[in-house]
Amino acid sequence: NAGVMQNPRHLVRRRGQEARLRCSPMKGHSHVYWYRQLPEEGLKFMVYLQKENIIDESGMPKERFSAEFPKEGPSILRIQQVVRGDSAAYFCASSPGLGRDDGYTFGSGTRLTVV
Amino acid sequence: DQQVKQNSPSLSVQEGRISILNCDYTNSMFDYFLWYKKYPAEGPTFLISISSIKDKNEDGRFTVFLNKSAKHLSLHIVPSQPGDSAVYFCAALQSSGAGSYQLTFGKGTKLSVIP
Repeated sequence: NAGVMQNPRHLVRRRGQEARLRCSPMKGHSHVYWYRQLPEEGLKFMVYLQKENIIDESGMPKERFSAEFPKEGPSILRIQQVVRGDSAAYFCASSPGLGRDDGYTFGSGTRLTVV
Repeated sequence: DQQVKQNSPSLSVQEGRISILNCDYTNSMFDYFLWYKKYPAEGPTFLISISSIKDKNEDGRFTVFLNKSAKHLSLHIVPSQPGDSAVYFCAALQSSGAGSYQLTFGKGTKLSVIP
């Protein structure tokens, strides 16, 4: 029973390229969250999605960043025209519902390096 | 503006002794708190949580205490074991207007348990 699967684990992009980060939630989980961790910082909320819907994107930068969670397939976090400041670890989490006792299960993260 | 603060970046404790990790928060709207443990190159894993209507929650060697008036919580690990060496994140949950629950993380405390 796989947990939250994120790929790739490591991604290197040149400035100006696009980065696509994938997240497959745990089986039975319909809620997906993306968090970003900058060096020496805690994780910061970016976006919360359910199937085919963005519920809360209050933590997403207004430009270059987008997220989707299609009916079929993984959730995708897309960063266009990457800059060095986008270098960070991006974590995806999933939960079966909104209840607090559900807890979040995190993936192992994608480490993005922009050169 | 850091709403969840972990003021000790690191902590060293002898094996078998008690580890106490502290966390302060500023947002009185937070009403559920969680501790996560994180090993290098892995995602955070849920450890223990507490609702604001309680002042203590215990699970094996781990106990979380909440002092709501002081906006302070602490995680006690006793006895500490070398396998407990990791970064511990304090996180707080609040309901956003969009109907989602965001986790707000502290910057983490790196615990080293010395054999």
